[in-house]
Amino acid sequence: SQKIEQNSEALNIQEGKTATLTCNYTNYSPAYLQWYRQDPGRGPVFLLLIRENEKEKRKERLKVTFDTTLKQSLFHITASQPADSATYLCAYDTGGFKTIFGAGTRLFVKA
Amino acid sequence: NAGVTQTPKFQVLKTGQSMTLQCAQDMNHNSMYWYRQDPGMGLRLIYYSASEGTTDKGEVPNGYNVSRLNKREFSLRLESAAPSQTSVYFCASSDTGFTTANQPQHFGDGTRLSIL
Repeated sequence: SQKIEQNSEALNIQEGKTATLTCNYTNYSPAYLQWYRQDPGRGPVFLLLIRENEKEKRKERLKVTFDTTLKQSLFHITASQPADSATYLCAYDTGGFKTIFGAGTRLFVKA
Repeated sequence: NAGVTQTPKFQVLKTGQSMTLQCAQDMNHNSMYWYRQDPGMGLRLIYYSASEGTTDKGEVPNGYNVSRLNKREFSLRLESAAPSQTSVYFCASSDTGFTTANQPQHFGDGTRLSIL
């Protein structure tokens, strides 16, 4: 079955450092990957979408890479801030209205 | 803009009771979705509505029904609640382009449902 795996362990980093989160997928080759942010008690908020032929995409302090050979996407937050603390979800859509979400990785940024 | 609005925010039910979760979006999106989120698991799709007038089963539809009331509103009904349905329920909407794969979803803030 189609599956997305994200590191279930929380990531703790110091303010100002770069946070790197990993998303691995199996049994499917998505044309797009999406990343969302979810704060406690809130719904996910869309951050970035990357296409399979883009390899890398940036938005302000965020950078996403997409390696179709490794079946992996990496999500980077540079110059991280305590306000970046949240759970980050990786997802892909099969194109048929069914989106597969990972369980998310929780990020804690310490001041 | 309110985006996606879900009601209620919290609910406690007894086993066997029924209830309807409400969802409305003001972005004129064609597609709407219901997910459940459980600890340690990704969001799982319960039902979706690709467009007004259509609904289809997702990954975990058993025990639920849905109604796409109009373009704005999509409700989720639990006919006879069971403890296994204790979860956080999220409604989402998206625009529908050539493919849904490149359309981000917009989520409400969820309904926290406990079934005793």
